[in-house]
Parts: sequence; structure tokens; C-alpha cells
Amino acid sequence: AQSVTQLDSQVPVFEEAPVELRCNYSSSVSVYLFWYVQYPNQGLQLLLKYLSGSTLVKGINGFEAEFNKSQTSFHLRKPSVHISDTAEYFCAVSGPLGNFNKFYFGSGTKLNVKP
Amino acid sequence: DVKVTQSSRYLVKRTGEKVFLECVQDMDHENMFWYRQDPGLGLRLIYFSYDVKMKEKGDIPEGYSVSREKKERFSLILESASTNQTSMYLCASLGGSGNSPLHFGNGTRLTVT
Repeated sequence: AQSVTQLDSQVPVFEEAPVELRCNYSSSVSVYLFWYVQYPNQGLQLLLKYLSGSTLVKGINGFEAEFNKSQTSFHLRKPSVHISDTAEYFCAVSGPLGNFNKFYFGSGTKLNVKP
Repeated sequence: DVKVTQSSRYLVKRTGEKVFLECVQDMDHENMFWYRQDPGLGLRLIYFSYDVKMKEKGDIPEGYSVSREKKERFSLILESASTNQTSMYLCASLGGSGNSPLHFGNGTRLTVT
């Protein structure tokens, strides 16, 4: 089975500062990568996805992520955060190991943007 | 736009009760999923279904069952609720193949007392 590691459970940051949320995964085969955001008391919304092609992926709300195959990482970045970005962020992987539709999620990173 | 609807946002049940969590999607998706979300553990897959009347166990199926009688509806059943099943439950649907994203409902926060 695959695994997804989000090393930072919480990331505090001041408004307008840059932020990076880290995600590493374990896989020796091609995978699809996703970042989801969860606002309080809501389900998960897709921020962005990497399927193939350019390793820099742009998503909604000014977020972007970079796929690094050699480091098996897919870190999420935003150059200037806003209070409204306060939420929990999940990295996910889906891959072709038997069950093509199975998704593996990290444990989540809570981003807390302070004024 | 894609819509996944979970019938209850909050539920409070007693130990031993039979509990039904309902999920409906309007995208004609073949695949539907039930996840459980607990702090620090991320999302864990309970069951999924790739077609009507078809189901597969996920990573933590014990104490749960599912039903998919119609394509748009996927129900999670707690046969005899226990306090360790207090959690947030998320339903999701998926069209196409693994390069498509999951679409989630807003979740049901279940408390078992």
C-alpha cells in the first residue's frame, strides 16, 4: 500500500506571509497527486491536482504545488496567505497498484493564518 | 456542478442503536466511498462501491456495512453503534478513472453516547 506523509500537523503563519505545506509519498510507480482543503464543518474541496506534464501545478485561491519525482514530494505553496486560507489541508495520492481508484490521504496540516 | 449530499450534518445516537448515514450524488458516478475522519489520522476508507449492489471493504470495515441499491445513493450502516465510532463521516463519489478527483459531501458528525 502507498503512504502519504504530511510532516507538519499545524502551521501558524501571519497574514500576507508565504507558506509551504509539505507532502511526501511512498511509491515507485506513477501516481496521481491531489491537494484538498477542508474549511471548518465542511467536506473536502479540490485545490489542485497533478496528473502528468508540467511539474508546477496551479490551483484555486492562488495555491500552487510542485511535483518532484526524485524526492517523491508534492509540496503546496502560496506566496501570500489571507485570513480566509485558515483551514486544514490534505495531500492525497491515487495510483495503479491493483485498485486504480483507491486514494491514500495524509493526516492533514492545519494552517492557521494570524492577522 | 458536482453535488454530493449527506442527509445529516450532525447525529447523536446511543450505544447499541442501528445508525444509517445516507449519501446521494447527482453526477451519475459509478464509484462511491465512505471515509471516516479523526484528528491526526486523516481520512480512512471504510467501504467503497464501484457499481450498484457492488461493494468492497476498505481499510477499516469492522462494525460497518453498506448498501447501494441505486446508482446515486450509498448508505453506511452502523449495525450496533459504539462510542469508538464517534467521528466525522465523509461520503465521496468518483467518475472515470484514478486521475479524476474525489468529490466530497459536507460530512456527518456522529456522536455515540
